[in-house]
This record gives sequence, structure tokens and C-alpha cells, in this order.
Amino acid sequence: SQKIEQNSEALNIQEGKTATLTCNYTNYSPAYLQWYRQDPGRGPVFLLLIRENEKEKRKERLKVTFDTTLKQSLFHITASQPADSATYLCALDLNAGNNRKLIWGLGTSLGVNP
Amino acid sequence: DTEVTQTPKHLVMGMTNKKSLKCEQHMGHRAMYWYKQKAKKPPELMFVYSYEKLSINESVPSRFSPECPNSSLLNLHLHALQPEDSALYLCASSQGDRTPYEQYFGPGTRLTVT
Repeated sequence: SQKIEQNSEALNIQEGKTATLTCNYTNYSPAYLQWYRQDPGRGPVFLLLIRENEKEKRKERLKVTFDTTLKQSLFHITASQPADSATYLCALDLNAGNNRKLIWGLGTSLGVNP
Repeated sequence: DTEVTQTPKHLVMGMTNKKSLKCEQHMGHRAMYWYKQKAKKPPELMFVYSYEKLSINESVPSRFSPECPNSSLLNLHLHALQPEDSALYLCASSQGDRTPYEQYFGPGTRLTVT
């Protein structure tokens, strides 16, 4: 069956450390993968998009990797801050006939302690 | 302006009521989306409009009726809802839906069906 899995437990780290979140998928072949941040009661906010032929993408303190052989994406936040505390969602970007749609993981709740 | 607005912020309705949710964007985006999100779950795609035409309906019950009056506006008409339809309803837009673009989300409407 088709599945997307993110870190099953909430992740709590100390300020200044690097947070690493995982997104694993089975029986999908996405050409693209997106990461979003969601704060409670608000809509998701786009962070990064990575293509299957890109091994790594960076934006400020954020880094995403995409390994289509392992069927895995890793999302890193370096020099983490309490303001980074949120739920992080990965989404597979798939063709749906002539259209595209996102298939979402359950999300990982990240807490950064001061 | 990179904002997607949604009204109302909160809505309480009885099972016999008819109400509408509204969504607006002025980014010139040609794809617009309705999602439903329950607590601690990822967004669940309901409908996609591409160039003002309905392109994806994820087998949503007919008590939810989408409408796209023009390229900036998206409505979701609600009728005879059930208590299990209580959720956060999110609207999103993207430049298009034929190539991978990030989605911009509104703040959502928190719907409670009594």
C-alpha cells in the first residue's frame, strides 16, 4: 500500500542544536517533494521544494535532502531557535492525470527549548 | 501581496443550515484548492480548481459544493452537514497546477457543526 511516514514521535531539542526530521514513503514515485511548516490553528507555510535530480537544497538555516533510492527526505534546521517550534509537514508532489496534487505526511511536532 | 484571505474565521452551524466559506487571493494564481484538516492530521484535499474549472474532486460528499466565480475567488457552499464535518477548512492557491509550485494557504475557517 502507499504510505508516507514522518518521525512518529514529537521531537524536542535544545536551542542551538540541529533538528533533523525524516520523511519516508513507499509505493510512490514523486518527482518533487515539498516541506511546509504549520503553527497551531493556522494554514501551512511553504518552506522548500526539492526535485528528484537534486540531492540537496538549502535556504538560510534550512537544508533538505531527497534520496529517491532510499525513498527518503531529510529536513534539517541548524542553529535551532524556540521560534522554530511548530509542526513540519512533508508533501509528495504527484501528477494526477493532467493535474498535480500534494500527498501529505502526518507531520512532526518540533519543540526547541531555550 | 502574497496573502490568501478566508472568511469567516469561525463558523458554528446546525445540521439543517446552509452557509458558505469564502476565499480570496490577488496573486494572479490560476489554481485554487480546498482542504479539510482535523486535529493532529495533515490537510486532506477536497477540490482543485484550475483556470476557474473544477479539475479534481476527491470524492467529496455532495453536501459540500465548491464554486469559483472568478480567478481570485473560491467559495465552498455547505448544506446539511454532519457533526463529523467539524474541522479547519483551508483554502490555498498556487501559480498553476501543471508544474510543481508551492501552495499559499489562508488562515482557515474553523467550522463546528452542532
